[in-house]
Amino acid sequence: EAQVTQNPRYLITVTGKKLTVTCSQNMNHEYMSWYRQDPGLGLRQIYYSMNVEVTDKGDVPEGYKVSRKEKRNFPLILESPSPNQTSLYFCASSLLGAMNTEAFFGQGTRLTVV
Amino acid sequence: TQLLEQSPQFLSIQEGENLTVYCNSSSVFSSLQWYRQEPGEGPVLLVTVVTGGEVKKLKRLTFQFGDARKDSSLHITAAQPGDTGLYLCAGGAYNNAGNMLTFGGGTRLMVKP
Repeated sequence: EAQVTQNPRYLITVTGKKLTVTCSQNMNHEYMSWYRQDPGLGLRQIYYSMNVEVTDKGDVPEGYKVSRKEKRNFPLILESPSPNQTSLYFCASSLLGAMNTEAFFGQGTRLTVV
Repeated sequence: TQLLEQSPQFLSIQEGENLTVYCNSSSVFSSLQWYRQEPGEGPVLLVTVVTGGEVKKLKRLTFQFGDARKDSSLHITAAQPGDTGLYLCAGGAYNNAGNMLTFGGGTRLMVKP
């Protein structure tokens, strides 16, 4: 089954404690991205990657890091989480070029930073 | 950053009513996608429109891309409780590093039986 898998689904952490949210896709997609979803703001892109070892900032990259060492995996790293990073996070993948092709989303990771 | 504004933000209607959701921008997009998101799940693609003036139908849902490719609408006929969810529009456009999807803020629809 074609899918994007994120882990964990829920996470509560304390300010400053480094964390990683994993994302894996089994569709051999080149393009992967991370979004955060906040009420009334829709989905805002954090980082995206057009292929292995190619990553770039989206609209709201501050406080986040990503890596793309393998085509299937695209982890999101928060080196020093802060309460304003409390949000619902989604990983997505698509064929190269997100414009006219379908973006497949994971089930989301609800992060709370206290 | 290109912005997409959706209206209304919230909509609560009775089963059987018709409704229209709007997605507007001052920027031109190469394509416009509509997604539907249910609680606890990620968004799922409903449709992609790429030509100005294009109309696509998906059962009781009708999607239209504006002639100038700056706006889109989603019309639902005879809404059902199963239509309840968050509807998101997303515009596709190239930027300097490639291409990007820009999402609107979403319309949360509740259809009461």
